[in-house]
Amino acid sequence: NAGVMQNPRHLVRRRGQEARLRCSPMKGHSHVYWYRQLPEEGLKFMVYLQKENIIDESGMPKERFSAEFPKEGPSILRIQQVVRGDSAAYFCASSPKIDSYEQYFGPGTRLTVT
Amino acid sequence: GNSVTQMEGPVTLSEEAFLTINCTYTATGYPSLFWYVQYPGEGLQLLLKATKADDKGSNKGFEATYRKETTSFHLEKGSVQVSDSAVYFCALLMFSGGYNKLIFGAGTRLAVHP
Repeated sequence: NAGVMQNPRHLVRRRGQEARLRCSPMKGHSHVYWYRQLPEEGLKFMVYLQKENIIDESGMPKERFSAEFPKEGPSILRIQQVVRGDSAAYFCASSPKIDSYEQYFGPGTRLTVT
Repeated sequence: GNSVTQMEGPVTLSEEAFLTINCTYTATGYPSLFWYVQYPGEGLQLLLKATKADDKGSNKGFEATYRKETTSFHLEKGSVQVSDSAVYFCALLMFSGGYNKLIFGAGTRLAVHP
């Protein structure tokens, strides 16, 4: 049973470009969470999605950031017109049900904006 | 609000030394508490957990006891190894807004030297 997959592992974008980060949850998991880790900081919650629904996006910046989790395929975190402050590690986690105690984390995507 | 405070790192120890990493929390209600470990270049792995007061979580020689009276969940290990070098995150899980939400501390970097 494969774990949570994220790709790409490393992404370099110039200021103003778009970044697309992908997350494939563990098999049988329909709940996905995205977190951002700034250098030397802990993980900050961004968004929680179930298949085809955004449940909680209270941690997402209101502009330039969006997330989706379609019926088929991976969850996508999209950052438009990236700025240097977007440079961070982005982790996704998945769980099998809404009241699960444990979230299973992917290896992360390290975004560098030049 | 809910929050987690960890001792600042880095913590530098010699092999076989005793480890303590302090963690305190603020929460409304009764959270579950977790320690996650992040090895270089990887995602987070669950190390141990405790779901109610006085529970002790343990794994790979690490232990932490859920102390409600002091709102603490300190991580300990009697004899560290070089392979324990990593960043350790304390986290609490609260049922909020209809689902379980993880809140992380800032992380404590541990470096163990031979």
